[in-house]
Amino acid sequence: EVHLVEAGGGLVQPGGSLTLSCGASGFIFSSFSMNWVRQAPGKGLEWVSYITSSSSTTSYADSVKGRFTISRDNGKNLLFLEMNNLRDEDTAVYYCARGSGWLDSWGQGTLVTVSS
Amino acid sequence: DIQMTQSPSTLSASVGDRVTVTCRASQSISTWLAWYQQKPGKAPKLLIYRASTLESGVPSRFSGSGSGTEFTLTISSLQPDDFATYYCQQYNSYPYTFGQGTKLEIK
Repeated sequence: EVHLVEAGGGLVQPGGSLTLSCGASGFIFSSFSMNWVRQAPGKGLEWVSYITSSSSTTSYADSVKGRFTISRDNGKNLLFLEMNNLRDEDTAVYYCARGSGWLDSWGQGTLVTVSS
Repeated sequence: DIQMTQSPSTLSASVGDRVTVTCRASQSISTWLAWYQQKPGKAPKLLIYRASTLESGVPSRFSGSGSGTEFTLTISSLQPDDFATYYCQQYNSYPYTFGQGTKLEIK
């Protein structure tokens, strides 16, 4: 069974940094592209970033480009999202999700709160 | 960016009803469209991909159709477990974009 578990969320001040991680199990992690998707409180889903299986290609939403960096460690079955210069509007539950195109498996999410 | 617009935003229905949710894309996305179900406090769950292909394990009362710019998600006979929020998502091009969601409520 596919299992994705996010960690690293918390309270951070505007302008601060945070790194999220997503541990994967139940599938061959190194064979799949991965994504981060976020959901602000009471709002809809927003795709954030994508990385191919070999890390050769990454893509970002305009709202995070230049501030967030996606990466992965296939040897440890881990996906990361490094978030810098955080803003109030980055407050959200962050989900990792598997797939290239449709997203067929999601983690339970980790809450990031940006507030002074 | 491709804009995805769902209608209605809220839908009130009863158990046993047939319901349809519409998703429109701001430009043609062929059949590069997925549908998700989300319940409060939970992660989204994939229902349909490639506009009409049912994800494994999803009940057959769910179906999807459409191509180009207009798509529909239909639930043939609503069950109590189906009351949730539904999102469409295009993956024709980056950035992937979602519709704003349709909340399906009990009438």
